[in-house]
Amino acid sequence: GAGVSQSPRYKVAKRGQDVALRCDPISGHVSLFWYQQALGQGPEFLTYFQNEAQLDKSGLPSDRFFAERPEGSVSTLKIQRTQQEDSAVYLCASSSDSSLSNQPQHFGDGTRLSIL
Amino acid sequence: AQSVTQLGSHVSVSEGALVLLRCNYSSSVPPYLFWYVQYPNQGLQLLLKYTSAATLVKGINGFEAEFKKSETSFHLTKPSAHMSDAAEYFCAVSETGGFKTIFGAGTRLFVKA
Repeated sequence: GAGVSQSPRYKVAKRGQDVALRCDPISGHVSLFWYQQALGQGPEFLTYFQNEAQLDKSGLPSDRFFAERPEGSVSTLKIQRTQQEDSAVYLCASSSDSSLSNQPQHFGDGTRLSIL
Repeated sequence: AQSVTQLGSHVSVSEGALVLLRCNYSSSVPPYLFWYVQYPNQGLQLLLKYTSAATLVKGINGFEAEFKKSETSFHLTKPSAHMSDAAEYFCAVSETGGFKTIFGAGTRLFVKA
């Protein structure tokens, strides 16, 4: 596709359920990022992939959060045993360059997760 | 450690007036700096970036920003606001050689007719 695609756009889950959020990056993009954006805040870094390798997961809030990108394209962010504080918009971004930092990130529209 | 401070969570201007959104950063190494815009229920879109080539950076939609090392600032300006500029604006910093991008809390721009 032309841009980064995220699904679902909206997800409502009961506390304690597991959820999986999907990100389809721009074709050929090496770098993939996940961010968590709380209401009224800027995005906060969760994790970074270069191809299939997860090079940084320092932003994941707890061991209930898990991300993968097994074939170096599509990525899934999984949250186990969801809690109310997990409610946020989860943004995925991809970038064309593995040399990083000065390359702009292309963002998807996000998944709005609401935990009841 | 890197950080970004955006002064003013809300800014309101009249259509046709100057837009000034303030951003200050801290970084232990020469930074890369970015401004992104976010419209409701959408992801972030890059407005412009500074990568040390020139201190005055021109972006899309008539926006520009000036890197001032002495003031550790990267303020965003536009000479004449348009109604379509109403959105949330985020300043961001990343370190040379790194990949983690740190975003500010955002400034919501309101444009009055």
